[in-house]
Amino acid sequence: GAGVSQSPSNKVTEKGKDVELRCDPISGHTALYWYRQSLGQGLEFLIYFQGNSAPDKSGLPSDRFSAERTGGSVSTLTIQRTQQEDSAVYLCASSRHRDEQYFGPGTRLTVT
Amino acid sequence: GEDVEQSLFLSVREGDSSVINCTYTDSSSTYLYWYKQEPGAGLQLLTYIFSNMDMKQDQRLTVLLNKKDKHLSLRIADTQTGDSAIYFCAEMNNAGNMLTFGGGTRLMVKP
Repeated sequence: GAGVSQSPSNKVTEKGKDVELRCDPISGHTALYWYRQSLGQGLEFLIYFQGNSAPDKSGLPSDRFSAERTGGSVSTLTIQRTQQEDSAVYLCASSRHRDEQYFGPGTRLTVT
Repeated sequence: GEDVEQSLFLSVREGDSSVINCTYTDSSSTYLYWYKQEPGAGLQLLTYIFSNMDMKQDQRLTVLLNKKDKHLSLRIADTQTGDSAIYFCAEMNNAGNMLTFGGGTRLMVKP
């Protein structure tokens, strides 16, 4: 069956521009997570959505980062006024239960 | 906060067993995971263990959990060149809303 998909796979943007990253979770998975992977910081949790509950935004590094999940399915992660330190691979994961998180291939963001 | 530690690098010969170790600090972790990441690829869930178990075996993979010492290991039997990758251990917090990852162990398998 279809796994978690993310788009775009690569994004190059100029410093100061806004970007939107998209995640399509596995059908039927109620939980959705965003992480980022960078050389200096490893894998970091960003935000968690569970059903219709308010998201857990505790991992977002600054107020330039926000995320939405529409209709309990697709999610977009928005980074405003991008900075060079935002360059990373942004990973989305989804799960049906608390035990297994399945990851998408990631979006590689490069801020020049 | 929670911390997960792994050694950076492991090199083994093809056919040998590999053992990748991980330590964690959160005693309330519910699940512990092993993920594999090949170059340029995403994270692949290999296996996981519930915190009230001490061992789980899945084909060539054996996971051992010592909850008292907060130590997790992944043993790969008959390691193949295709097993070369970075292996991440991760713990799920008690709230079930996030994973905390170790820094990853790069496994190199020599023919």
